[in-house]
Amino acid sequence: SAVISQKPSRDICQRGTSLTIQCQVDSQVTMMFWYRQQPGQSLTLIATANQGSEATYESGFVIDKFPISRPNLTFSTLTVSNMSPEDSSIYLCSVEGTDYGYTFGSGTRLTVV
Amino acid sequence: LAKTTQPISMDSYEGQEVNITCSHNNIATNDYITWYQQFPSQGPRFIIQGYKTKVTNEVASLFIPADRKSSTLSLPRVSLSDTAVYYCLVGDPYNNNDMRFGAGTRLTVKP
Repeated sequence: SAVISQKPSRDICQRGTSLTIQCQVDSQVTMMFWYRQQPGQSLTLIATANQGSEATYESGFVIDKFPISRPNLTFSTLTVSNMSPEDSSIYLCSVEGTDYGYTFGSGTRLTVV
Repeated sequence: LAKTTQPISMDSYEGQEVNITCSHNNIATNDYITWYQQFPSQGPRFIIQGYKTKVTNEVASLFIPADRKSSTLSLPRVSLSDTAVYYCLVGDPYNNNDMRFGAGTRLTVKP
């Protein structure tokens, strides 16, 4: 399976600032997914990022708030912009595995104060 | 409309077999059924995937009836370390796979 390195693992940020989360994969993948998981809740898909095209956002998520870059087949970033305490959550990236299923990063735990 | 429905929580004891059922009444012809396991502070981990009948690997079995409107994840002889949240997803892995998660089932294994 693909190995994902997600950075930072955690951060505490001031409201009104932005944080960029990086997702590095050890193999080339076509599709990458970004999720948000609030404490005790399931994962909510934010967007799907294909290399060379604009990310596709789910209902309730907009590009101005969560801009995504996908410069190549092994890397993607998610920025959480103009943060508020409601953005405190765990953010995860995911890619298609080499056999079955999808591989997830270990997540970025974000706290906005 | 939810794509999958699972029990919110289940309790079990060490050494027992645990069966978690997922309903997916609107499953499409090309959809596969995939189960993930998630421990606290970790991303989900792939457990097993199947299309029909029965699939078995080193950690679990997946039973899918002929109509494919439900599936059952079977964990043999659970241990305390199997305490986790289990998610069932349906989607076509070869064509724009749907990676939206349902609520999941929180399994608690007791000594």
